[in-house]
Amino acid sequence: GNSVTQMEGPVTLSEEAFLTINCTYTATGYPSLFWYVQYPGEGLQLLLKATKADDKGSNKGFEATYRKETTSFHLEKGSVQVSDSAVYFCALSDRGYSTLTFGKGTMLLVSP
Amino acid sequence: KAGVTQTPRYLIKTRGQQVTLSCSPISGHRSVSWYQQTPGQGLQFLFEYFSETQRNKGNFPGRFSGRQFSNSRSEMNVSTLELGDSALYLCASYRGGQLEKETQYFGPGTRLLVL
Repeated sequence: GNSVTQMEGPVTLSEEAFLTINCTYTATGYPSLFWYVQYPGEGLQLLLKATKADDKGSNKGFEATYRKETTSFHLEKGSVQVSDSAVYFCALSDRGYSTLTFGKGTMLLVSP
Repeated sequence: KAGVTQTPRYLIKTRGQQVTLSCSPISGHRSVSWYQQTPGQGLQFLFEYFSETQRNKGNFPGRFSGRQFSNSRSEMNVSTLELGDSALYLCASYRGGQLEKETQYFGPGTRLLVL
C-alpha cells in the first residue's frame, strides 16, 4: 500500500533561518505529491504540489522537488518567518484517484 | 467565494451515542471527502462522495457512514460512539476531476469529544 514518512517535529528555527522538512514515500503506482499546511485552529491548505518526476512545486517561498529515484519530496524555504509557524503535511495520491495518503505532520515553530 | 463549511465546530458526546456531522462544499464542487485526524494516527481517509455516490472508501468500520445530497452537501454519521472516535473530522471538496490537476479545499473541521 501507499505510505508517507515525514521527519518528526517540532522543528524549531529562528526567523530567517533555512528550512528543510524531509518527506519520503512508498507508492504502488506513479503518485502525485503534495504539501499541505495547517495553521492553528484551521483546516488544511494546499501549499504546493508536483505531478511528475523532477517537477518542482513552489508557493510563498516554499519549494519541493519530486525525486522519483529517491522517492522523496522534501520541503524547503530559504528564510522562514514567524508567520510560517504551523503543521506541515506531506501527502500523495495515486494518479487517477482522488484520495490522499498523509504523513503524520511536522510542526514548525519559528521564533523572532 | 465561500469556503468549505462544517457544522458543528465542536461536539461532546458520550459512549454509545451516535453523531451526525455536516459539510457544505464550495459551490460547484461535486466531490466531498472526509478525513479523521488524531494525534496518534494522523490524518486518515474515511470516504469520498461524488454526485451522491460513494466513490472511494477508507479502512474504517461500518459504524462510520456518510451520504451526499443533490446539492453536494454531505453528512457523515458515526453510530455507537467509542472513546477512540474522539478526533478532528475534516471535510474537503473539489470539482471532482483528476485530483492532480485541481485543488482540494479543506474545511476547518468538527472537533468531536467522546466521554
